[in-house]
Amino acid sequence: RKEVEQDPGPFNVPEGATVAFNCTYSNSASQSFFWYRQDCRKEPKLLMSVYSSGNEDGRFTAQLNRASQYISLLIRDSKLSDSATYLCVVGKLGGANNLFFGTGTRLTVIP
Amino acid sequence: DTGVSQDPRHKITKRGQNVTFRCDPISEHNRLYWYRQTLGQGPEFLTYFQNEAQLEKSRLLSDRFSAERPKGSFSTLEIQRTEQGDSAMYLCASSSGSGRAYNEQFFGPGTRLTVL
Repeated sequence: RKEVEQDPGPFNVPEGATVAFNCTYSNSASQSFFWYRQDCRKEPKLLMSVYSSGNEDGRFTAQLNRASQYISLLIRDSKLSDSATYLCVVGKLGGANNLFFGTGTRLTVIP
Repeated sequence: DTGVSQDPRHKITKRGQNVTFRCDPISEHNRLYWYRQTLGQGPEFLTYFQNEAQLEKSRLLSDRFSAERPKGSFSTLEIQRTEQGDSAMYLCASSSGSGRAYNEQFFGPGTRLTVL
């Protein structure tokens, strides 16, 4: 079973729409959670960390449900510039500090 | 530019040749990571350094792969006797390893390797 599972999409949404991405993770020992954004043929860029209390950054809201081992990202008022692949990422505490990436969800915002 | 840098950005080599990539992390970051990404997949962890110590290696890192970070600053990743299956984007990342953002990793632009 993969460490992180995401719906690969693609999601094609009109400008201004609200879109939600979900992912699940398999290891209950996971301690850090992130969403990264990756544009075509570019490196992943940190979009936001995800905390147990949930967090919001402008049009982006991330939620974590530890009991269900589930992470979500909500994008409101989608912009053309939001078109990218969104990677769900989890990490473990302690010596093993590597991150586990999902395969990513492809989003295209249509004019 | 104070981000993570990688060199070269692209490398084309013939099967059986050796290649070496370099990564310069963000200067105040003591943790450095190497990942590999193939088309349609997320990055996969290869290895991790804290300062000059290599603390973890993935099973993906075969005997043909070796990484070093001799002075705890830049790192090199060498692949010996390259195979076509080594073709991928090799990404380097660094993190501060402290505070609430201890595991927020920042990636370099990657080295795209093509093995012919």
